[in-house]
Amino acid sequence: VQLLDSGGGLVQPGGSLRLSCAGSGFTFNSYAMGWVRQAPGKGLEWVSTISGGSGGSTYYTDSVKGRFTISRDNSKNTLYLQMDSLRVEDTAVYYCAKDRLYCSGGNCNGYLDYWGQGTLVTVSS
Amino acid sequence: QSVLTQPPSVSAAPGQMATISCSGSSSNIGKNYVSWYQQFPGTAPKLLIYENNKRPSGIPDRFSGSKSATSATLGITGLQTGDEADYYCGTWDSSLSGVVFGGGTKLTDL
Repeated sequence: VQLLDSGGGLVQPGGSLRLSCAGSGFTFNSYAMGWVRQAPGKGLEWVSTISGGSGGSTYYTDSVKGRFTISRDNSKNTLYLQMDSLRVEDTAVYYCAKDRLYCSGGNCNGYLDYWGQGTLVTVSS
Repeated sequence: QSVLTQPPSVSAAPGQMATISCSGSSSNIGKNYVSWYQQFPGTAPKLLIYENNKRPSGIPDRFSGSKSATSATLGITGLQTGDEADYYCGTWDSSLSGVVFGGGTKLTDL
């Protein structure tokens, strides 16, 4: 299994950026995928998850709802995170991860079994 | 402020045992499986324990996990210098409909 994150960089507050994560070594469309970020010197913060298959279910942490959009292109084995209206507090290393998410009866469980190397997003004027 | 609570640091002598606690609530740990991750500086996290107490292939049996009510514990026996790292617990929170992590625990040698 290999996950290759890309797309990070320096952007001004209010700007946009799209992160990509190319997966290989597993059946990409069979698994949920997610994004986790880590601000400099801080702990892990979950950002978003998309279900496997067509990606019909998406989940976001409250601080990015309405600003970030997770999506996937199974034909390219690639996960995306479109980040709009970026804020200084969004500055972090962003990791994509393969997610063993499963949901039943309105509740979910899962774990992140493989992670990308991370891509740094810096929001600054 | 993280939803799950971990001690900021834990110290133990090489060869001894270290335990790292993770405290949550009925909407997260009390209801769902816990996983643990190990992270060395400048590198991506790595899965250590999933579904409370299962180890992925390649993870030595020196690492163990347990859960009771709304708390979970990571145990590391036969501590080695190479185990010095940051450790995070994580689980799904049914009220938030998302993944939550602990603030992380830095494990250091005494």
